[in-house]
Amino acid sequence: DGGITQSPKYLFRKEGQNVTLSCEQNLNHDAMYWYRQDPGQGLRLIYYSQIVNDFQKGDIAEGYSVSREKKESFPLTVTSAQKNPTAFYLCASSIGQGAGELFFGEGSRLTVL
Amino acid sequence: GEDVEQSLFLSVREGDSSVINCTYTDSSSTYLYWYKQEPGAGLQLLTYIFSNMDMKQDQRLTVLLNKKDKHLSLRIADTQTGDSAIYFCAESSGYSSASKIIFGSGTRLSIRP
Repeated sequence: DGGITQSPKYLFRKEGQNVTLSCEQNLNHDAMYWYRQDPGQGLRLIYYSQIVNDFQKGDIAEGYSVSREKKESFPLTVTSAQKNPTAFYLCASSIGQGAGELFFGEGSRLTVL
Repeated sequence: GEDVEQSLFLSVREGDSSVINCTYTDSSSTYLYWYKQEPGAGLQLLTYIFSNMDMKQDQRLTVLLNKKDKHLSLRIADTQTGDSAIYFCAESSGYSSASKIIFGSGTRLSIRP
């Protein structure tokens, strides 16, 4: 079955540590995205990538970094510079630029202790 | 900037109709979407409507669009316990990039027996 796999589902981190969230897709989609979800708020875009080896900042990129070395993979690193990293992180993909439907992974819940 | 507003909670009795409302500010919105998020999971596209349409029906789902008032609604007929979820309204102002999708805060639908 095609889909998007995020791991880990739950992650705990101490303050000051970097952590990397994995996102892999086998849908052959060109575009991939990272969103942050906080209770009572809509999804906020962190980073997106329309093509391999290229990515752009979203609305809340500060304290985060990404890479897109392979079409299938778009990992997100939450750095110690992110002041409030506890959240639910969602990875998504779409067929390409201009495709409105987003396909989402199951999410990763990060808790900073 | 563009904004999408939804009420946070809705409670309905099983078997009744649910109506989830959404308002948006971007007058150039081209596509309007409804996504469903079940507990601890990612979002799934339920349905979408083009801005040149007034209504779209898909089985138990009816989407109504009032472009003049920038108001979108999702009606779920014969609401079942499996409809319990968070419903996100979203809009995009063109087919240029899925990165421009703006999400509302989500409406949590709960079903009373």
